[in-house]
Amino acid sequence: EPEVTQTPSHQVTQMGQEVILRCVPISNHLYFYWYRQILGQKVEFLVSFYNNEISEKSEIFDDQFSVERPDGSNFTLKIRSTKLEDSAMYFCASSRSGNTIYFGEGSWLTVV
Amino acid sequence: GENVEQHPSTLSVQEGDSAVIKCTYSDSASNYFPWYKQELGKRPQLIIDIRSNVGEKKDQRIAVTLNKTAKHFSLHITETQPEDSAVYFCAASIRAAGNKLTFGGGTRVLVKP
Repeated sequence: EPEVTQTPSHQVTQMGQEVILRCVPISNHLYFYWYRQILGQKVEFLVSFYNNEISEKSEIFDDQFSVERPDGSNFTLKIRSTKLEDSAMYFCASSRSGNTIYFGEGSWLTVV
Repeated sequence: GENVEQHPSTLSVQEGDSAVIKCTYSDSASNYFPWYKQELGKRPQLIIDIRSNVGEKKDQRIAVTLNKTAKHFSLHITETQPEDSAVYFCAASIRAAGNKLTFGGGTRVLVKP
């Protein structure tokens, strides 16, 4: 069964550094998402992406965040200047039709 | 925006018993309600979903019910097994192109052998 894949699985970064999290959505999916989950808390929506542009973003997704689909398969989340409170599990997700959403295994980001 | 409340936050049941998790939502436009199971350190995995044009859906030991008037939906797990132990999240969205999921706070289920 096709899966959403993410890299890296775990990254430790210094506060203020830039981080890029990478995702390969399921191949015939058209809608892409980033969610995050702070340890022990619920999953929170960050951004959705369709037809090469952001379709919706949350208040968490401020100017330090950006997303890109640089080619036909990858979908990236960039955090420009990381803060301690950015430490979380970041989940990429994709959907064929915008309904059923499938999640990747997550990238655990630790900012020190 | 949408707000989803989930109860209880923790649930301990004896193996073989049933478990029920309840969620309420605030946006009457929401019409798609998935349930995800998340094991420790793993991805949320879709286990069942329901759309607002049906009141109940069942898949083996798992069932979901929806009351649109009251804006609540529930997950029922029968004949629980130790491998059902996980965190379960309900979510709501408007079933339109690309719409986001709003998650509940999660229920940690422990099935005691």
